[in-house]
Order: sequence, then structure tokens, then C-alpha cells
Amino acid sequence: SSELTQDPAVSVALGQTVRITCQGDSLRSYYASWYQQKPGQAPVLVIYGKNNRPSGIPDRFSGSSSGNTASLTITGAQAEDEADYYCNSRDSSGSHLGVFGGGTKLTVL
Amino acid sequence: EVQLVESGGGLVKPGGSLRLSCAASGFTFSSYSMNWVRQAPGKGLEWVSSISSSSSYIHYADSVKGRFTISRDNAKNSLYLQMNSLRAEDTAVYYCAREETYYDILSGYSLWYFDDWGQGTLVTVSS
Repeated sequence: SSELTQDPAVSVALGQTVRITCQGDSLRSYYASWYQQKPGQAPVLVIYGKNNRPSGIPDRFSGSSSGNTASLTITGAQAEDEADYYCNSRDSSGSHLGVFGGGTKLTVL
Repeated sequence: EVQLVESGGGLVKPGGSLRLSCAASGFTFSSYSMNWVRQAPGKGLEWVSSISSSSSYIHYADSVKGRFTISRDNAKNSLYLQMNSLRAEDTAVYYCAREETYYDILSGYSLWYFDDWGQGTLVTVSS
């Protein structure tokens, strides 16, 4: 089955830019989607497709992709961006199974 | 406004069964594939199962295949997850999520993502 690999933890100074990455073979066929999850809350979609934000997601969130790596960039991180971030895609082998990355804990200093 | 409300969670003994429900509103339920995603305490998200809009296509994670059954009733705008032979490792918050999927002809990439989630229901498997 396909796997998506994320760094377990990343930190960023308030107002600075941070990039969270996700690697996996499926990302050569599928765009990653990105979810933000705060403690005790359900995940929220923040980026999907090439670089699309759902309504209500601030434009400081952006996405990119190259080869087998997808990235979520937060430009000008805010305190409220401190959360867990998960990437997701579908297995590209034809199994139609879903897969999530292990998650990245973002700390805003 | 899209709303997804899970119910049916609780405490169950190992080997027992439980049926989760997800009530959908605010959108045309019968037009969307739906998924279950779970999260064990202190752990990451794990995709569990998906079902297409007409129930024609169903997929399961290897960890639940043969024990869990996903189903839906479009007349009742409801999604279900029948969980049998439950194990301690099935302990998790279970979320239902609405799926969007399409193929981007320009880039040659496919998109598959969950644009709305319920608040989750906790399943605890313990003796």
C-alpha cells in the first residue's frame, strides 16, 4: 500500500514563513490535500488540488507539488495556525485506498 | 450549510459489534461519495472506508477489511459503518467525511479530498 511521509514536528517564529512537506509515490498521480486539526476538533481542509483554498481559509496558506513531494506553506504564520497538519491522497496503484501522512505538529513560537 | 453528524459510538468489549451512523444535511447526499476516517487517541488520521454515491464502489483499509461494512441509505441521507469483531486497536474517534474527486485534464493529476467532516464519535473497545 502507498505511504505518505511527513516530518513529525516543525516550528516557526510568529510572522515568519514555514513549509510542511509530504512525500509519497502517489503524489506523482494525485495532488495532496491538506488538513488542519486543532486539539479536540475535527480536521479542516485547508488546501486541495494544485493550490486551492476552500472558502474561509486565509490566503497565507498555499500549496505546491513537485515530483513525489507536496508542500504546504504558511506565509506569515499566526498563533492560531499552531495545529497538526495532515496530507492525504489516494493510492495510485489502482487499489482506490486512501492514505494519510503521519501528521506534522506545527508550533508557532 | 453542510452538516455531518455521527452517532453510535460507545464502549464495547473485544469481539463485540457496533454500528455507527452519520446523518447528512445541507447538500444532495446522493450525489457524493462518502468516507469514514478514524483517529486513535493521540495518534494521526487513518482512512477506513469509502462508498460511492450509488454504493457501487466500496473500499476498505486492510486493517478493517472483512470486519467492517460501510453502507448508505440515500433516502435517509445517512451513512453507516457496521463494525464487527472489534479489537482494542479499533479504539478511536470515527469521522464521516464528504469526498470530492475528479481528474484535472490540464495537469494530468487526480484530486481526491474531503471537504467536509463531522465532529466524530468515540468508539472504545475494552474489557
